[in-house]
Amino acid sequence: GENVEQHPSTLSVQEGDSAVIKCTYSDSASNYFPWYKQELGKRPQLIIDIRSNVGEKKDQRIAVTLNKTAKHFSLHITETQPEDSAVYFCAASRGGLTGGGNKLTFGTGTQLKVEL
Amino acid sequence: NAGVTQTPKFQVLKTGQSMTLQCAQDMNHEYMSWYRQDPGMGLRLIHYSVGAGITDQGEVPNGYNVSRSTTEDFPLRLLSAAPSQTSVYFCASSYSSWDRDNEQFFGPGTRLTVL
Repeated sequence: GENVEQHPSTLSVQEGDSAVIKCTYSDSASNYFPWYKQELGKRPQLIIDIRSNVGEKKDQRIAVTLNKTAKHFSLHITETQPEDSAVYFCAASRGGLTGGGNKLTFGTGTQLKVEL
Repeated sequence: NAGVTQTPKFQVLKTGQSMTLQCAQDMNHEYMSWYRQDPGMGLRLIHYSVGAGITDQGEVPNGYNVSRSTTEDFPLRLLSAAPSQTSVYFCASSYSSWDRDNEQFFGPGTRLTVL
C-alpha cells in the first residue's frame, strides 16, 4: 500500500519568514495530494490540494509543488503569521480511481510554530 | 448544511465494553471513512466505504466493525474495548469520482478513553 513520509516533524520560524514542509510517497499511482491544517483540539481542515496533472498550485500565501518523477510534494507558506501555528499533515490517494474511492494515506504531521 | 457530524464528543469505557460511534453527513458524499489519531502517528485509516452497502478495511481495522446502510450514516462499532483503542476518532466524507472535488471533510472528532 501507499506510504507517506513527512519532514520535519517540528518547525520553528520567525514571523514573516517562509516555512517549507516536505513529503514523499511510494505509490506511483497516487494522483491526489491534499494538505490539512489542524489546530489544537480541532478537526483537520483542507488548506490546499493538488492533482497529478498539475506541478504547482498557489492560494495567496500558500503554495504546493509536486514532482511526480521523484514522488515528492511540498507545502510552502510565505510571510508566516502567528495564526499559522498548527500541525500540518500531507496525504496522498488514488483519488477517484475505481475501487479505492478517495482513500487517503497521511504523513505523521509537522508541528509549525511561528514566533513573534 | 451541517456537514459531517459525530457523536458522542467524549466517551469513557471500561475494558471489554462495546459501543458505537455515530457519524452522519448531509452532503450526499459517496465516500466515508473512519480514522484514529494518536500522538506522533498522524491519522490512520480504520475502515472506509465507497457507497451504501460497500465497506472495506483500512490500515488498522482490528477490533472495529462498520456498516453502511444509507448514504448519510457510517457508524463505527468497537466490539470489546481495549486500552490500545484510546484515541481520537475522526469520521470524514468526500465525493469519490475524479471529476468531482475530492476534498475530504472531517467531523469534530470523538475522544475515547478506555480504562
